[in-house]
Amino acid sequence: AQSVTQLDSQVPVFEEAPVELRCNYSSSVSVYLFWYVQYPNQGLQLLLKYLSGSTLVKGINGFEAEFNKSQTSFHLRKPSVHISDTAEYFCAVSGSSGYSTLTFGKGTMLLVSP
Amino acid sequence: DTEVTQTPKHLVMGMTNKKSLKCEQHMGHRAMYWYKQKAKKPPELMFVYSYEKLSINESVPSRFSPECPNSSLLNLHLHALQPEDSALYLCASSQDDLAGTDTQYFGPGTRLTVL
Repeated sequence: AQSVTQLDSQVPVFEEAPVELRCNYSSSVSVYLFWYVQYPNQGLQLLLKYLSGSTLVKGINGFEAEFNKSQTSFHLRKPSVHISDTAEYFCAVSGSSGYSTLTFGKGTMLLVSP
Repeated sequence: DTEVTQTPKHLVMGMTNKKSLKCEQHMGHRAMYWYKQKAKKPPELMFVYSYEKLSINESVPSRFSPECPNSSLLNLHLHALQPEDSALYLCASSQDDLAGTDTQYFGPGTRLTVL
């Protein structure tokens, strides 16, 4: 079984500032890691995912995340945020053995103000 | 085309009503999912269909009845719901397997209110 912890329920930040959204996972097997974004009154959209290979993953809208196996983390970063980045961000994990589905963290609300 | 469509967008129903939610994708995906999402919470998996067969039922009450008539269509039939079933119901699809690597594509959801 796997689990995901998103350490911050809400992150306020000013426009054009950098941001990091934290995600830690636990699993007894190798995992695949995902970040999804949910804008108000919409479904979820994939930002990026880590399956294997390079630990630095680049996604859409200028976001990137780094997989750190020793710290079991997959933090999401953006060097300069926009008002339009205001949304709920979910970190998710799936296992690499057998039948596996996504396990989501509780989400982090990113609030970007001018 | 990476779109998953869901109808209706909003649904209000009484506890004695019968209604259905519809989800459609034309990406050739063979796995389809129903999630329930309460406000300020992550999506909770309800059902998974793989190659039009029910693969996972996460102990969902029988008042929710899924159906997959073909590989592009997924329905969720609702009957005798409770007010606590009010939520956003999300449909998703992915390429074919449940090995964990596939991206899930989500629809915009149906906002359900049970009176």
